Amino acid sequence: DQQVKQNSPSLSVQEGRISILNCDYTNSMFDYFLWYKKYPAEGPTFLISISSIKDKNEDGRFTVFLNKSAKHLSLHIVPSQPGDSAVYFCAARTNAGKSTFGDGTTLTVKP
Amino acid sequence: DADVTQTPRNRITKTGKRIMLECSQTKGHDRMYWYRQDPGLGLRLIYYSFDVKDINKGEISDGYSVSRQAQAKFSLSLESAIPNQTALYFCATSDIRGRGDSGANVLTFGAGSRLTVL
Repeated sequence: DQQVKQNSPSLSVQEGRISILNCDYTNSMFDYFLWYKKYPAEGPTFLISISSIKDKNEDGRFTVFLNKSAKHLSLHIVPSQPGDSAVYFCAARTNAGKSTFGDGTTLTVKP
Repeated sequence: DADVTQTPRNRITKTGKRIMLECSQTKGHDRMYWYRQDPGLGLRLIYYSFDVKDINKGEISDGYSVSRQAQAKFSLSLESAIPNQTALYFCATSDIRGRGDSGANVLTFGAGSRLTVL
């Protein structure tokens, strides 16, 4: 049973437009949610996180929204840039310190 | 130098061989992890260690073993490699004190070790 799901394997957007990446989870015990970005031949790197007690966290062009009642979070990137093209992983953490990852969404930003 | 260094970066081996993947970190983090990524899938946790004397199984530990030789070193072994262990392996670290990540236990990853078992 996959506890963290990213239902869109890929997303393509035009440069300058908004990118919205979605993530659903099933475990109510998750207390933090994180987004990681991965370029080819590199390890994932941390992008942004949100505590389960918040509904929004913003960092520059990146904003994460959390809807606890729907067990859904989304990452908004605006404006999207070609350098944002990467695989984005949603992850959820329990207070035991372990993180569970979704399968990733490949974002392509076209110039 | 990278904060988290994995060796080897690429390895091709044969079924039945013993393989060790090594990970070292300069972050000073207490926690270290080994993840596996298969094509089109997310990262699955193999083993994790919250300090030198603490080793725990993750969701897919069968066929793997680990050793935490020091705070900075965490190695993953495949005692008898099989083809379905062909994957990309990532080591990661995190800070129990949550410095700079507001308690989110942000993971710092190595660049990965690509293992092919023929």
